[in-house]
Amino acid sequence: LAKTTQPISMDSYEGQEVNITCSHNNIATNDYITWYQQFPSQGPRFIIQGYKTKVTNEVASLFIPADRKSSTLSLPRVSLSDTAVYYCLVGERISGGYNKLIFGAGTRLAVHP
Amino acid sequence: DSGVTQTPKHLITATGQRVTLRCSPRSGDLSVYWYQQSLDQGLQFLIHYYNGEERAKGNILERFSAQQFPDLHSELNLSSLELGDSALYFCASSVDSQGDTEAFFGQGTRLTVV
Repeated sequence: LAKTTQPISMDSYEGQEVNITCSHNNIATNDYITWYQQFPSQGPRFIIQGYKTKVTNEVASLFIPADRKSSTLSLPRVSLSDTAVYYCLVGERISGGYNKLIFGAGTRLAVHP
Repeated sequence: DSGVTQTPKHLITATGQRVTLRCSPRSGDLSVYWYQQSLDQGLQFLIHYYNGEERAKGNILERFSAQQFPDLHSELNLSSLELGDSALYFCASSVDSQGDTEAFFGQGTRLTVV
């Protein structure tokens, strides 16, 4: 199972772009990279998922280099409400779900006025 | 609202007791995952069920057990409770949608062992 490493915490200011990088050196061929957001006392919420290159949706972009040993979550123009813990997950997708869905320690992002 | 329902929302019980946490996945989701999150800690994966069968096991204590029923709801049983079992317990269900595999989490059950 691929282990992930992320910065423990990051600080930013409103309106800035935030990039959170996750390292997953032993990612397997069948593994996908997924990012979740969690607010205190709430369940995590799916942000974005990718396999390679770049994926973009309405809230974030995910950059994955060719070797897939790392990935970067990019949050454009953050606001105070983006203050949360962000988790990078690497896992094998199977029919109807994941083989395992293992969360790492996450990155605690604090957005300041 | 994620569509995943967990009951009860809060539970206070004494050491040595046994409790059952319940999870109803989103309609049609076959996978259910259980997690434990202690105060200011990360999410610890406990167990994964798929269509009634155990698919993967994480760091689940022997005092804990789970099952998924034919109607796909799941229960997590915690016995011989200790103070350290106090935590938020989340369940999630997942579905393949638009090329992504997205897991939806419930609001959790906050268990306090006194």
